[in-house]
Amino acid sequence: DIQMTQSPSSLSASVGDRVTITCRASQSIASYLNWYQQKPGKAPKLLISAASRLQSGVPSRFSGSGSGTDVALTISSLQPEDFATYYCQQTYSVPYTFGQGTKLEIK
Amino acid sequence: QVQLQESGPGLVKPSETLSLTCTVSGGSISSDYWNWIRQSPGKGLEWIGYLYYSGSTNYNPSLKSRVTISLDSSKKHFSLKVRSVTAADTAVYYCARSRAPYGMDVWGQGTTVTVSS
Repeated sequence: DIQMTQSPSSLSASVGDRVTITCRASQSIASYLNWYQQKPGKAPKLLISAASRLQSGVPSRFSGSGSGTDVALTISSLQPEDFATYYCQQTYSVPYTFGQGTKLEIK
Repeated sequence: QVQLQESGPGLVKPSETLSLTCTVSGGSISSDYWNWIRQSPGKGLEWIGYLYYSGSTNYNPSLKSRVTISLDSSKKHFSLKVRSVTAADTAVYYCARSRAPYGMDVWGQGTTVTVSS
């Protein structure tokens, strides 16, 4: 199985901050990397697919970059509604695997 | 637009079979991949497997011996069965659509299943 390691596991930031969450795969996954946002009691929401393709309706302050083994999610200017847990997921090979999550909290 | 809704028992006894159904509204299972994912505090998000619209399946090897995902003939429902459950199968179970090789863009709200006697 491909292991996905996110960092940091948790992050405190303020509204307006720029934050970056990274995800490292145990082997190359090309650009088969997706990012999800999950709020308490809700299903994950797809933000970015194929490492950098922003889903329709997702604000442009979210962006994805990288390929191979190292990818990143950047939020350019945090908004109050962005405080949530973020997960990366590889769909390069079965079994699809997720990172352990990054909890983004208000400072 | 497509919406998904999971349904099934919230409590299952150890060693029995967990059975869930995902109902597709606003569309049908005529293309794409249809997934089951679960989330437990101990293991985070775990992909269980998918059903391709043609009926073929692919499972997580860690669960493959106990899991079946199948398609209803109406193509409006697909189901998950997990046999011989233990407490480790206690989780929130989600169904989701994906358009390979991309991510899962439509999710159900999730249903909590507890394995306990």
